[in-house]
Amino acid sequence: DAGITQSPRHKVTETGTPVTLRCHQTENHRYMYWYRQDPGHGLRLIHYSYGVKDTDKGEVSDGYSVSRSKTEDFLLTLESATSSQTSVYFCAISLGRGTDTQYFGPGTRLTVL
Amino acid sequence: AQRVTQPEKLLSVFKGAPVELKCNYSYSGSPELFWYVQYSRQRLQLLLRHISRESIKGFTADLNKGETSFHLKKPFAQEEDSAMYYCALRNSGGYQKVTFGTGTKLQVIP
Repeated sequence: DAGITQSPRHKVTETGTPVTLRCHQTENHRYMYWYRQDPGHGLRLIHYSYGVKDTDKGEVSDGYSVSRSKTEDFLLTLESATSSQTSVYFCAISLGRGTDTQYFGPGTRLTVL
Repeated sequence: AQRVTQPEKLLSVFKGAPVELKCNYSYSGSPELFWYVQYSRQRLQLLLRHISRESIKGFTADLNKGETSFHLKKPFAQEEDSAMYYCALRNSGGYQKVTFGTGTKLQVIP
């Protein structure tokens, strides 16, 4: 499982509350990604990071922010959760060299009521 | 901008029948293409990548730059192939941005 964990694995929250999801890796991989998975939309990239404190937006970044203060942790924050952010969130990592591919975490199921 | 299109949401085939999952891409540079699979209640995992020209679990995929396609094929479907399949494109630039298609659910009927 490439040493990737996500926490929490399940969360139910109310509209308007802040939520932070954590992705932790033990592989010292440079690249980390946050995706959301929704029926009919597949996986959509929210944000990604190419190093400590280096992040960039993906295709669905509105309403989300990220931080990466250490190589091993990549945090995704919903400043004020909305029902449209109910989804399954996946973290992924990659070395970013050669033919390296992505390795995925187990996912976090978030429900916003 | 890079884009990946998987036109079929669901593909149902009988066991032993051939399978082809379609993937088309749009990218101005030289792409790196992958197929990922997600079995029920499991995390996504790499199935194969075009640069390796490998065959995994009987699946193959050939990059056709003229048609901008990377279709996934298997000559004889097995029940254990039932899963969600995602095509993905990684840009060849410096920041390793990866874009996924919307996925195709393969259902193999016994």
